[in-house]
Amino acid sequence: SAVISQKPSRDICQRGTSLTIQCQVDSQVTMMFWYRQQPGQSLTLIATANQGSEATYESGFVIDKFPISRPNLTFSTLTVSNMSPEDSSIYLCSVVRTGVEGYTFGSGTRLTVV
Amino acid sequence: AQSVTQPDIHITVSEGASLELRCNYSYGATPYLFWYVQSPGQGLQLLLKYFSGDTLVQGIKGFEAEFKRSQSSFNLRKPSVHWSDAAEYFCAVGALTGGGNKLTFGTGTQLKVEL
Repeated sequence: SAVISQKPSRDICQRGTSLTIQCQVDSQVTMMFWYRQQPGQSLTLIATANQGSEATYESGFVIDKFPISRPNLTFSTLTVSNMSPEDSSIYLCSVVRTGVEGYTFGSGTRLTVV
Repeated sequence: AQSVTQPDIHITVSEGASLELRCNYSYGATPYLFWYVQSPGQGLQLLLKYFSGDTLVQGIKGFEAEFKRSQSSFNLRKPSVHWSDAAEYFCAVGALTGGGNKLTFGTGTQLKVEL
């Protein structure tokens, strides 16, 4: 399966600032996704990162708050903008390389906003 | 819309005992089903997946799951639990074709193993 490197692994940020999370895959993948896992909760899909075009956001998530880039088939970034304590979560990158492999997840970025 | 229900929020079993974690799904087409495990402070690791074919699928770490279409279920089982199995387990449903390429997760089941 694909190997994902997600950076940073954790960060503590001041409210009102922004953080960019990187997701690097060791091979070209068909699809890339960003998920959020709030404390004690399950995973919620933020958006699908589309190569060469704007990301597709799920209900409740907007581009101004969570801008996403995907310049090629192996790399994507998620920015959490104008952060508040409510943004404290684990953010996970997920990829699909081929259908039979299913979805692979990065180790996540644990974000704390103070 | 697709959805997943994991009825058990917490489960405690003794080491060596058998385990069954329940998962029910709602999906309009043939589902792709997954079980993931998350240890504290870690990302998600895929235990097993079902796409088609044999309804009993084997996964890593001695886990297996059975797809039952009539019951819309995909329960995870292990015959003998080890203390290292203590973690949170997530069932997910998704599709890998067409427009439904996202995964929908259940709320998770926290497994505690008593020694």
